[in-house]
Amino acid sequence: EVQLVESGGGLVQPGGSVRLSCAASGFIFSNYNMNWVRQAPGKGLEWVSHISRDSNTIYYADSVKGRFTISRDNAKNSLDLQMNSLRDEDTAVYYCAREGDNSGARDYWGQGTLVTVSS
Amino acid sequence: SSELTQDPAVSVALGQTVRITCQGDSLRSYYASWYQQKPGQAPVLVIYGKNNRPSGIPDRFSGSSSGNTASLTITGAQAEDEADYYCNSRDSSANHLVFGGGTKLTVL
Repeated sequence: EVQLVESGGGLVQPGGSVRLSCAASGFIFSNYNMNWVRQAPGKGLEWVSHISRDSNTIYYADSVKGRFTISRDNAKNSLDLQMNSLRDEDTAVYYCAREGDNSGARDYWGQGTLVTVSS
Repeated sequence: SSELTQDPAVSVALGQTVRITCQGDSLRSYYASWYQQKPGQAPVLVIYGKNNRPSGIPDRFSGSSSGNTASLTITGAQAEDEADYYCNSRDSSANHLVFGGGTKLTVL
């Protein structure tokens, strides 16, 4: 069974940093591209970042470029998101999502971890 | 980057057919995928590609596309289909992804 479990969320002050992690199991992690997607309270989904299976290709949404860093460790089956210079508008549930090999769609999602940026 | 536009809310009578649409220039080049999200839960993929359903998704869900518009159709809507639905595609640069604003489906 494919499982994605996010951790690391919590309350952080504006300008602060937090590191999210996503533990993957039930599939060969190194074979799949991965994404982070976020959802502000009561709002819609927003794509945040993409990393290819070998980490050679990385993309960011304009809203987080230069502040967030995505990375992965295929030996540990883990995906990370380092979030720096946090702003109020970064408050959201952050989901990690697998990119389907054939579909290119986000075929499995974790349950999400909430990051609240507030003083 | 491009945008994907969805109607904020749609309603359907129990057992009837409903179509949820998604408009955007990038849909002329890329297929949309569709996600169902119920309150307090993570999104679930329901349609991807031309018209493909992941394992476990009922066949009352189908997808189609024409020009700059992608559609998700639910034929014979059930009470459990009440949820928010999001479309998703690549933007014109092909490097970024974009989501529609979401459609809240009410089953009457």
